[in-house]
Amino acid sequence: QVQLVQSGAELKKPGSSVKVSCKASGGTFSPYSISWVRQAPGQGLEWMGRIIPILDIADYAQKFQGRLTITEDKSTSTAYMELSSLRSDDTAVYYCAKGDWLAPWGQGTLVTVSS
Amino acid sequence: EIVMTQSPATLSVSPGERATLSCRASQSITSNLAWYQQKSGQAPRLLIYGASTRATGIPARFSGSGSATEFTLTISSLQSEDFAVYYCQQYNKWPLTFGGGTKVEIK
Repeated sequence: QVQLVQSGAELKKPGSSVKVSCKASGGTFSPYSISWVRQAPGQGLEWMGRIIPILDIADYAQKFQGRLTITEDKSTSTAYMELSSLRSDDTAVYYCAKGDWLAPWGQGTLVTVSS
Repeated sequence: EIVMTQSPATLSVSPGERATLSCRASQSITSNLAWYQQKSGQAPRLLIYGASTRATGIPARFSGSGSATEFTLTISSLQSEDFAVYYCQQYNKWPLTFGGGTKVEIK
């Protein structure tokens, strides 16, 4: 059964970028999509975007258009989420998750944006 | 985008009692609805998909019902490990959207 393992916590300055990885362990993503979901401190879940590896297609929530890039490396079964022009309100835990109904989830990556 | 509205925001329940959580969609999503449980400091866990199908390993005390715009998650007899936040999510149309969550707390 596939598990999703994410990269570690990040501390970033406002205006910089962050790239978080999500590696499938014990299997591959295919043929499912991989979504990225974030959760600000004390808040709910917010879907950011997804990639469909077998189609090499990514799409993004309108809110993140132009700032978010989701990619994947099929050779290593790893998906990446890169968010640019970081602001303090991007401070959140970022999760990857597989499929339309999301399971499994990665363990989460805390991204802190602070000067 | 489809707006998902959960109620109540907080539900106070005694252990052993039944809990009923509601989720409403702003337009029909047929049965393309999932429920998740999230405990403090943990990633969400899928409970239900297809509005009523329990995910692998989910106890039978969790059940989902509904279709179109009105959905319910029922926990038949609350155990101590069930006190958590619950989210609904639609996957009928992209973007995926979540409800705001219902916190189930000990009464």
